[in-house]
Amino acid sequence: DIVLTQAPLSVSVTPGESASISCRSSKSLLSSKGITSLYWYLQRPGKSPQLLIYQMSNLASGVPDRFSSSGSETDFTLKISKVETEDVGVYYCGHRLEYPRTFGGGTKLELK
Amino acid sequence: EVQLVESGGGLVQPGASLKLSCVASGFTFSDYWMSWVRQTPGKTMEWIGDIKYDGSYTNYAPSLKNRFTISRDNAKSTLYLQMSNVRSEDTATYYCTRKDIYWGQGVMVTVSS
Repeated sequence: DIVLTQAPLSVSVTPGESASISCRSSKSLLSSKGITSLYWYLQRPGKSPQLLIYQMSNLASGVPDRFSSSGSETDFTLKISKVETEDVGVYYCGHRLEYPRTFGGGTKLELK
Repeated sequence: EVQLVESGGGLVQPGASLKLSCVASGFTFSDYWMSWVRQTPGKTMEWIGDIKYDGSYTNYAPSLKNRFTISRDNAKSTLYLQMSNVRSEDTATYYCTRKDIYWGQGVMVTVSS
């Protein structure tokens, strides 16, 4: 199974500042079709997960462009610019490259 | 509006069986693969499996394959998760999801004697 390792476990950010979350994969997530199968999710407190980013760098519908993602085949970074109150929650990376799908352990974002 | 509503959770004894349902609305259910994902009390996310739009093909997490079965009834726009011989480690919130874009509100399952 592909192991996704997120860092840090938690991050505390001043509103208006930026935050970055890392996700490292044990295997290349670049598919034979040239698509990098890395996804980012946000789970706000008490809510269901929400898709933020698909195929490494594409914003899901309705997601503000304060969110961005980049990376290589195995190392990825989610960046949140100008953090707002609504960004608080747990961020997960996940892949859809092959079965079984797996998720990272999560990174909790809090406000200072 | 796309909606996914799970039900069937609750407190269940170890070794028992339980069937979760997910009723879909707001889209043509029979056009989409559907998945189940669970989240443990410690917030670990685990993919359970998915099912093809016509129900002809399923995939499972290897660790759950022998105890969990995913099925669907397209006439009822309903997705199911049959859980058998449940264990304490199956205690989690269970979500159904369509392509990770749409998620249900989740249903809690607690396995305890």
